[in-house]
Amino acid sequence: AQSVTQPDIHITVSEGASLELRCNYSYGATPYLFWYVQSPGQGLQLLLKYFSGDTLVQGIKGFEAEFKRSQSSFNLRKPSVHWSDAAEYFCAVVLLSGGYNKLIFGAGTRLAVHP
Amino acid sequence: EPEVTQTPSHQVTQMGQEVILRCVPISNHLYFYWYRQILGQKVEFLVSFYNNEISEKSEIFDDQFSVERPDGSNFTLKIRSTKLEDSAMYFCASGENKVTEAFFGQGTRLTVV
Repeated sequence: AQSVTQPDIHITVSEGASLELRCNYSYGATPYLFWYVQSPGQGLQLLLKYFSGDTLVQGIKGFEAEFKRSQSSFNLRKPSVHWSDAAEYFCAVVLLSGGYNKLIFGAGTRLAVHP
Repeated sequence: EPEVTQTPSHQVTQMGQEVILRCVPISNHLYFYWYRQILGQKVEFLVSFYNNEISEKSEIFDDQFSVERPDGSNFTLKIRSTKLEDSAMYFCASGENKVTEAFFGQGTRLTVV
């Protein structure tokens, strides 16, 4: 069965430091991959997505992610974190053959940013 | 910018009562979804809806749950007889077609007491 693993439950970084959030997926074919962000009390906002093509994708708010098929990973990165980036981040995968019918989410990584 | 809106933002209901969660998807979207997030847990798929019928549902979506698009704009999730374990944040989402991303609403926090 398809699954998404986010190994880090909590991450704390200093403002201005670089960030990498890990995501691994288990799926037989090439998946559609997403990163969403959820600020406290807010809904889920799409940061970026990978469908095909260039394996390095750029998203909003200065985030990027790299799809590595050999490692079944889709890690999220940001070169310099801002205090407003403190939130929960979810990696998700969707079935390719069935189209966009169902997102499978990871457990999330909660990011705290120190001033 | 168009957005998915959900009402109410927070609903408290007694166990055994019926509850209806409402969503207004983005106007030109054709695919609609409900997800839920129990506090501290991951976001889980409940159901997808297209062309006035359910296209897929999870094992969570049992006979107590139903969805409806009663008019051209609203998309509702009904829980017939709520249980304590139904307490969660419920997210509505909509998509233009099957292969584009879905846009999520702000969620309705349901508390069953």
